[in-house]
Amino acid sequence: KAGVTQTPRYLIKTRGQQVTLSCSPISGHRSVSWYQQTPGQGLQFLFEYFSETQRNKGNFPGRFSGRQFSNSRSEMNVSTLELGDSALYLCASSPNSGTNIQYFGAGTRLSVL
Amino acid sequence: KNQVEQSPQSLIILEGKNCTLQCNYTVSPFSNLRWYKQDTGRGPVSLTIMTFSENTKSNGRYTATLDADTKQSSLHITASQLSDSASYICVVSPYTDKLIFGTGTRLQVFP
Repeated sequence: KAGVTQTPRYLIKTRGQQVTLSCSPISGHRSVSWYQQTPGQGLQFLFEYFSETQRNKGNFPGRFSGRQFSNSRSEMNVSTLELGDSALYLCASSPNSGTNIQYFGAGTRLSVL
Repeated sequence: KNQVEQSPQSLIILEGKNCTLQCNYTVSPFSNLRWYKQDTGRGPVSLTIMTFSENTKSNGRYTATLDADTKQSSLHITASQLSDSASYICVVSPYTDKLIFGTGTRLQVFP
């Protein structure tokens, strides 16, 4: 069974640009959560999607948005990039919303110059 | 405020030695507490999950303990190996809120 796949693995952007990250969950999993990880802050919850609906949202500005498709694949978009958005963005999939088990992808490393 | 604090921030040990990582939390009530291992450049991988009623859970050389009264958990690594070099993250799951992550302990195992 394939694991959680995140693309791209690495991304370099400049301030003011926008970026879209993709996450394909484990087959059969319907919940996808997104996290931002920085050295100083650790893992910060962005949002969770389940059955194409946002179920939960963290404390991030509106520049961060996401969506989930009918096949459970999810995308995360960040508009008007800032230097502080440089981070590792992790996606985790679960069979259902609120489940105990989360399986993480390898992440997308975003660098904003 | 729900918080999860881990100590030490970083730890260096020699191969073959044992070590213990600490996690203190203020989350209450909570559904479960998890320990994750994160290798550099990779996503976190679950090591153990304990509900509030469990005291200990093992996964090979990893043993997690939980004291719900003092709101403390520890992760004990026995006979460390070079491959244990990673960050270890403690995560608490409240009943009615999103997961609370600790900032992790960076473990380095040297030969």
